[in-house]
Amino acid sequence: GALVYQYPRRTICKSGTSMRMECQAVGFQATSVAWYRQSPQKTFELIALSTVNSAIKYEQNFTQEKFPISHPNLSFSSMTVLNAYLEDRGLYLCGARRDRNTGQLYFGEGSKLTVL
Amino acid sequence: GDSVTQTEGPVTLSEGTSLTVNCSYETKQYPTLFWYVQYPGEGPQLLFKVPKANEKGSNRGFEATYNKEATSFHLQKASVQESDSAVYYCALPSGSWQLIFGSGTQLTVMP
Repeated sequence: GALVYQYPRRTICKSGTSMRMECQAVGFQATSVAWYRQSPQKTFELIALSTVNSAIKYEQNFTQEKFPISHPNLSFSSMTVLNAYLEDRGLYLCGARRDRNTGQLYFGEGSKLTVL
Repeated sequence: GDSVTQTEGPVTLSEGTSLTVNCSYETKQYPTLFWYVQYPGEGPQLLFKVPKANEKGSNRGFEATYNKEATSFHLQKASVQESDSAVYYCALPSGSWQLIFGSGTQLTVMP
């Protein structure tokens, strides 16, 4: 079956430092990856959509300068939160798309960021 | 633009009672609709999906009908169990392939 692994599961970092998180698709080719942030209130914010060999599309309020993303192949994507501050805390979720026709995303367990 | 609105939580039920989580959507197309479930400490996982309007989807006793006329996709279960305690999300594809999620409904089932 389709599995998505995210690493690390949780990180505690000091204000102003950075955190890199990874997303690995196993058992399928992830042509597209969506990065979301889930707030403590459980709502989802879409950060960016990444497709292999295409430009990464960032949503409003999220920039490449703050959340650089790499998507070098069909099984791996990474995102970094640069200069993290309190408002960046949350659960960062990677959703990988396998089927172009349905829009279904397969999610990892998330990387939880706590900022001190 | 496309949007999803669902029952505001939290919802607390006793085991064996029935559940309804309302979901309404706005879209100009007729995409596949999804219900995702998220257990504590995990990422969201697909509960089930319905690709066609006016069809029903189901899994683990949960079901929902894709109602095109009413633009609704309400989640129901006749008899909830303690293990159903989780956050439930209605989701809708938007644009090329983004998924829009509802605000989530926290369900707690008491034994």
